[in-house]
Amino acid sequence: GAVVSQHPSWVICKSGTSVKIECRSLDFQATTMFWYRQFPKQSLMLMATSNEGSKATYEQGVEKDKFLINHASLTLSTLTVTSAHPEDSSFYICSARDGTGGYTGELFFGEGSRLTVL
Amino acid sequence: DAKTTQPTSMDCAEGRAANLPCNHSTISGNEYVYWYRQIHSQGPQYIIHGLKNNETNEMASLIITEDRKSSTLILPHATLRDTAVYYCIVRVNTNAGKSTFGDGTTLTVKP
Repeated sequence: GAVVSQHPSWVICKSGTSVKIECRSLDFQATTMFWYRQFPKQSLMLMATSNEGSKATYEQGVEKDKFLINHASLTLSTLTVTSAHPEDSSFYICSARDGTGGYTGELFFGEGSRLTVL
Repeated sequence: DAKTTQPTSMDCAEGRAANLPCNHSTISGNEYVYWYRQIHSQGPQYIIHGLKNNETNEMASLIITEDRKSSTLILPHATLRDTAVYYCIVRVNTNAGKSTFGDGTTLTVKP
């Protein structure tokens, strides 16, 4: 299947700093990517839909000024956690669909990025 | 997206078939059933999807009832590596269709 890569896999930062997580579709173009957050022993929670060339669409309760999303190309979306605090510590996962000729509807997920804020 | 209901957990003996049920009684006519699984500390992995016909691939089989209100994912010969959380999702098959995850079923395959 198609490959979605996230970087970094894990990051530790101090409270108050900003952290950027990259999500790349390696062998297909993705006009839409999705960002999820997962706390321990919980399911994935959809945070936002990232649209190439336009503003992201955030789910209710997700602060758009806190979680900045940029989808500058068909293969790259970034999530920036601004002024991170310990409660932002979580597993962040991105996903994308192949929107080209190979489209069959399934989501492909990145490996996830574990953020720990001290 | 339609809400799905899955059992919280299930056990299966290694080598036996694992049958994971999912209820989606409010599914719409244009919504597909998708199954994913998540092994601990990894991103979810696509398994299979279908609209109304039964589907089979190298990983699993998907059985959808005639009224489409429920489905069953079948892992024909479960191995220890199939231990994971399995998620059933229903959504429209468009590029922008959102996938909302429920709590899933924790499948534990035992030797």
